[in-house]
Amino acid sequence: DAKTTQPPSMDCAEGRAANLPCNHSTISGNEYVYWYRQIHSQGPQYIIHGLKNNETNEMASLIITEDRKSSTLILPHATLRDTAVYYCIVRVTFGNEKLTFGTGTRLTIIP
Amino acid sequence: DVKVTQSSRYLVKRTGEKVFLECVQDMDHENMFWYRQDPGLGLRLIYFSYDVKMKEKGDIPEGYSVSREKKERFSLILESASTNQTSMYLCASSYNYGYTFGSGTRLTVV
Repeated sequence: DAKTTQPPSMDCAEGRAANLPCNHSTISGNEYVYWYRQIHSQGPQYIIHGLKNNETNEMASLIITEDRKSSTLILPHATLRDTAVYYCIVRVTFGNEKLTFGTGTRLTIIP
Repeated sequence: DVKVTQSSRYLVKRTGEKVFLECVQDMDHENMFWYRQDPGLGLRLIYFSYDVKMKEKGDIPEGYSVSREKKERFSLILESASTNQTSMYLCASSYNYGYTFGSGTRLTVV
């Protein structure tokens, strides 16, 4: 699975959009971009995933660049409950099911 | 909603004890995983299983074994617990793309 690079920490004001970047310059054509988050003392939670098109669900939006070498997770109206560590992961969806976590971005929402 | 239940939230064991960590999922998922999480090291994969009685080593299997006799249950076994196995242990199950994690077991070996 390709490696990812994320900033170790970010702050965002409550109510504003939180934009979390991720670089994955060695991503392969059949690898998807996944985002998970881990709130303190809980297991990681799936947020969203995508291949090459932008995706949106009730939790977030995922913007993937045209060359697929980077992506941005957007939390449109951040709340204090969004304070967590966010993991960007690239992997093949079917066949190899392993999920390899990096160190992620610690997002702190400021009141 | 899929539930992944880990039998204990906190556990304290003595060095040399045999320790069983149990994980049960209720959605008939074929794939199950055990991770450990340590400060500064993130989540590391210990073992995983694609089906009943099948197991595969992850990145750090040493000192651990697993058992999967039924589809819904995946057990992590510490044959002889050591202090360096003090950690948060997380179980997960998956189908297709989504992983669902349990709440974790914080194991302390003294």
